[in-house]
Amino acid sequence: GAGVSQSPSNKVTEKGKDVELRCDPISGHTALYWYRQSLGQGLEFLIYFQGNSAPDKSGLPSDRFSAERTGGSVSTLTIQRTQQEDSAVYLCASTRKDTIYFGEGSWLTVV
Amino acid sequence: AQSVSQHNHHVILSEAASLELGCNYSYGGTVNLFWYVQYPGQHLQLLLKYFSGDPLVKGIKGFEAEFIKSKFSFNLRKPSVQWSDTAEYFCAVMPGGGADGLTFGKGTHLIIQP
Repeated sequence: GAGVSQSPSNKVTEKGKDVELRCDPISGHTALYWYRQSLGQGLEFLIYFQGNSAPDKSGLPSDRFSAERTGGSVSTLTIQRTQQEDSAVYLCASTRKDTIYFGEGSWLTVV
Repeated sequence: AQSVSQHNHHVILSEAASLELGCNYSYGGTVNLFWYVQYPGQHLQLLLKYFSGDPLVKGIKGFEAEFIKSKFSFNLRKPSVQWSDTAEYFCAVMPGGGADGLTFGKGTHLIIQP
């Protein structure tokens, strides 16, 4: 079966522009996570969706970041008015039986 | 909320040396523990995981980890490393049931010199 799919795999954008990153989780997985990995940094939790519950947004670094998950499946992470410090790999993951499966990430570069 | 501490940010070893990467977590209840590896230019891969039972778990590529509950530790070990083990290693903890998500340590960058 297919794994977690993320798009785009690479995105270069100008400072100040908005970007949308998409995640297709593994079918049937109820939980979905977004993480950010900056150069030389660890993995930073951003947001967590579990079923129909309200998402845990405690990791979003600013109000320029938002995410939604439609129909309990596909998720979109939106970054408004991008800044250079937003440059990072954005990782999506979904879970089954307490094991997390990661996508290959979306590499975002803000110039 | 849980947290994870990886003590060594950078480790350099020669081939055939033994490896131990430290990982400590803070959480008062039941936890599931993971080690992930990220090879240069690649995405995260699961090395091994502990849910319950035997505290010594074996993973892929000859890696193993031991859960010591009294020390809140889950150290990763390999008796003899290879050049191909050069990668970033992440320890992670998830409270039992998964309701609070997965928390990662900051990672350990391992370099194996041939």
